[in-house]
Amino acid sequence: GNSVTQMEGPVTLSEEAFLTINCTYTATGYPSLFWYVQYPGEGLQLLLKATKADDKGSNKGFEATYRKETTSFHLEKGSVQVSDSAVYFCALRVIQGAQKLVFGQGTRLTINP
Amino acid sequence: DAMVIQNPRYQVTQFGKPVTLSCSQTLNHNVMYWYQQKSSQAPKLLFHYYDKDFNNEADTPDNFQSRRPNTSFCFLDIRSPGLGDAAMYLCATTAGFATNEKLFFGSGTQLSVL
Repeated sequence: GNSVTQMEGPVTLSEEAFLTINCTYTATGYPSLFWYVQYPGEGLQLLLKATKADDKGSNKGFEATYRKETTSFHLEKGSVQVSDSAVYFCALRVIQGAQKLVFGQGTRLTINP
Repeated sequence: DAMVIQNPRYQVTQFGKPVTLSCSQTLNHNVMYWYQQKSSQAPKLLFHYYDKDFNNEADTPDNFQSRRPNTSFCFLDIRSPGLGDAAMYLCATTAGFATNEKLFFGSGTQLSVL
């Protein structure tokens, strides 16, 4: 089946620290991979995506590379800010008669000044 | 401006009392989804509509129903809410099923069951 496993949270860092949130997946075929972010009181927003192996998605200083050999899509940022505090979800997309997203359980990130 | 709007933001209901959550969209998208997100868990797809065609996930309980009276609106009906149905309910839309189509999420409705 299709599934996504994310690094357990919560994660607490100081401002300007380096961030990695691990994500691995299990899927049939070659899914597209996504990171979504959920700020307090808001819905899910697409942060970045990659549609094939070795693609790198990037946005707002965040990056993730689609690694087929390790079935991973780890999220990284070189220098986090307080405003990055949110819950981050890794997801894969499957097409099973319809476009469907399968999410990981989410990782809560808190950045302290 | 919000493109996928969910009302209310917080909903409280009583055990066994039917409740309806609503979602509207200004994007004229064909597809609307309902996800259930329990505390500290992954959002889980309940069902989706492609236009008027309803598609239920195999493991969605019968207690959950949906209506889509027109393109803009979609409702989630919980016929007899149990304590285990307390969750955030997320609505999402997309134009279609092409691989480059983006999903747009609403802010969610947090349902409490007393």
